[in-house]
Amino acid sequence: AQSVTQLGSHVSVSEGALVLLRCNYSSSVPPYLFWYVQYPNQGLQLLLKYTSAATLVKGINGFEAEFKKSETSFHLTKPSAHMSDAAEYFCAVSDRGTGYSTLTFGKGTMLLVSP
Amino acid sequence: EAGVTQSPTHLIKTRGQQATLRCSPISGHTSVYWYQQALGLGLQFLLWYDEGEERNRGNFPPRFSGRQFPNYSSELNVNALELEDSALYLCASKVRGQGLDTDTQYFGPGTRLTVL
Repeated sequence: AQSVTQLGSHVSVSEGALVLLRCNYSSSVPPYLFWYVQYPNQGLQLLLKYTSAATLVKGINGFEAEFKKSETSFHLTKPSAHMSDAAEYFCAVSDRGTGYSTLTFGKGTMLLVSP
Repeated sequence: EAGVTQSPTHLIKTRGQQATLRCSPISGHTSVYWYQQALGLGLQFLLWYDEGEERNRGNFPPRFSGRQFPNYSSELNVNALELEDSALYLCASKVRGQGLDTDTQYFGPGTRLTVL
């Protein structure tokens, strides 16, 4: 069964600093991986998704993630944090192996951005 | 293109009552998923409907049920409400099939259910 681990339930950065949100997964088959963002009192918005064509994936709002098979990781980064990036971020893996196409989510990381 | 819509935005019920939540998928999407996001428990998969059939369900009791209509919209019903059912219920939709694009789920804004 697939699983996702997000290290750190809260990450605090200063505005302009590097953002690094960690995600490790386990999967029995080559995974499909996703990052979603959730702003307060809203649903989930797709930030980016992993394609096998490239290990570095660019998403919206200046975020990108790098797939590292050897480390089973898909960490999310942004070079310079903005106040508007404050939100909760979820990493997810698609349950392709069973054919059920369900997503398994990590527990989420709350990103706090201070001025 | 309109996104996934959910209604109502907020729903307040008392213990033992029934709640009905509704979801309209993105046009052209045939699969609908329901997730529960309860405080401290993260996002948990509830149900998956595709082409009018229930395809998979998560580890929830039978009082959580639903259906999908011919126009692919969906309803989630929660019977005999308990206090711990208070949560944000998220609906997501995707196109049919398997593959990276077809595995991408798009989420609605959610329905906040409060059980008193």
